[in-house]
Amino acid sequence: DGGITQSPKYLFRKEGQNVTLSCEQNLNHDAMYWYRQDPGQGLRLIYYSQIVNDFQKGDIAEGYSVSREKKESFPLTVTSAQKNPTAFYLCASGQGAKTQYFGPGTRLLVL
Amino acid sequence: SQELEQSPQSLIVQEGKNLTINCTSSKTLYGLYWYKQKYGEGLIFLMMLQKGGEEKSHEKITAKLDEKKQQSSLHITASQPSHAGIYLCGADGGSGNTPLVFGKGTRLSVIA
Repeated sequence: DGGITQSPKYLFRKEGQNVTLSCEQNLNHDAMYWYRQDPGQGLRLIYYSQIVNDFQKGDIAEGYSVSREKKESFPLTVTSAQKNPTAFYLCASGQGAKTQYFGPGTRLLVL
Repeated sequence: SQELEQSPQSLIVQEGKNLTINCTSSKTLYGLYWYKQKYGEGLIFLMMLQKGGEEKSHEKITAKLDEKKQQSSLHITASQPSHAGIYLCGADGGSGNTPLVFGKGTRLSVIA
């Protein structure tokens, strides 16, 4: 089946620790996106990539890093510099017509 | 930058009733996308509108884009418990492959 997968579903971070969220798609989409969702705040863009080996910062990139070494994969690292990482993280991909398709999300919690 | 305002923020309706959710943009909309989200899950794409005056329907959900292309409405007829969730609108700013901008969402509850 074609789609977007995110793992893990839940992730726990200790203070000072970097953690990486996985996002994989087999839709052959060029563009991939990471959003953060907090209660009452909608979706906020962290990073996006329009093509392999290229990515741009979104509105809230501080404390996060990404890589795009393969078309299918766009992992997000939440670094220790991100002081308030507790949120629901959503990955999406898209092609051409702008419609974005979303993965099931990863909920990050701080211990 | 483009901003989307959704109203109402939350809505509780009795099963079988009709309802409308609005999405208003600060700038002209080149494309307006409606998504639905169940709590703790990803967003499900519902439909996309591009032309002024355009209307699309999927099952009991109808979305419209006004002639001036600055406001969209989502109308649900005869609501059911399966319609409950968060509805989000997303806007295409029109330039290249820039990402969509999203509203804050409308939380819909349907009670028996």
